Amino acid sequence: ELKVEQNPLFLSMQEGKNYTIYCNYSTTSDRLYWYRQDPGKSLESLFVLLSNGAVKQEGRLMASLDTKARLSTLHITAAVHDLSATYFCAVGGWGGGSNYKLTFGKGTLLTVNP
Amino acid sequence: GAVVSQHPSRVICKSGTSVKIECRSLDFQATTMFWYRQFPKQSLMLMATSNEGSKATYEQGVEKDKFLINHASLTLSTLTVTSAHPEDSSFYICSAHNHRVGTEAFFGQGTRLTVV
Repeated sequence: ELKVEQNPLFLSMQEGKNYTIYCNYSTTSDRLYWYRQDPGKSLESLFVLLSNGAVKQEGRLMASLDTKARLSTLHITAAVHDLSATYFCAVGGWGGGSNYKLTFGKGTLLTVNP
Repeated sequence: GAVVSQHPSRVICKSGTSVKIECRSLDFQATTMFWYRQFPKQSLMLMATSNEGSKATYEQGVEKDKFLINHASLTLSTLTVTSAHPEDSSFYICSAHNHRVGTEAFFGQGTRLTVV
């Protein structure tokens, strides 16, 4: 059974600071996803990482993937208040039968303080 | 990205009644749709997987007679919560995929169900 561990679960940081969220997973996968969720809203896709060494950046967020270590990171640079949200990583895999499934981490609640 | 429309966004119903939630893929054919449930401050829990034209596959612990899923076409899946009770109150999210063209998931806006 695929397990996805995300840490930290809670992150309170000051504006302007940098921090990293980690996502470890237990079995081989071909896709790693990062999502953002605002309170009361659905998921917004941030990044899809497809291969070992993949790095993607969008604004103050940068995601990377190390498939050998089964680790993905989401790095936040010079945080601003607008980044406050819950961030989920999810790992894709072919479940029983022919269905491709996503297994989610528990999420990281990020609060950026002025 | 592709657009997935989920309706209604909020619904309040009385205990014992049934509620239907629709998930439509507006600009692509969804060969597979997933239904998730999310409790406050928790992650998404996969409830079931539905493939067009087939019976849904339910995750362990999810009552198939209570959560009826229909995926009659490549653009529409429905989740019906039957005989709803207050403990069914939750945020329900669908996602749509087309595995023939890729594995990216496109999520609906979610439905906040409150059973009173």
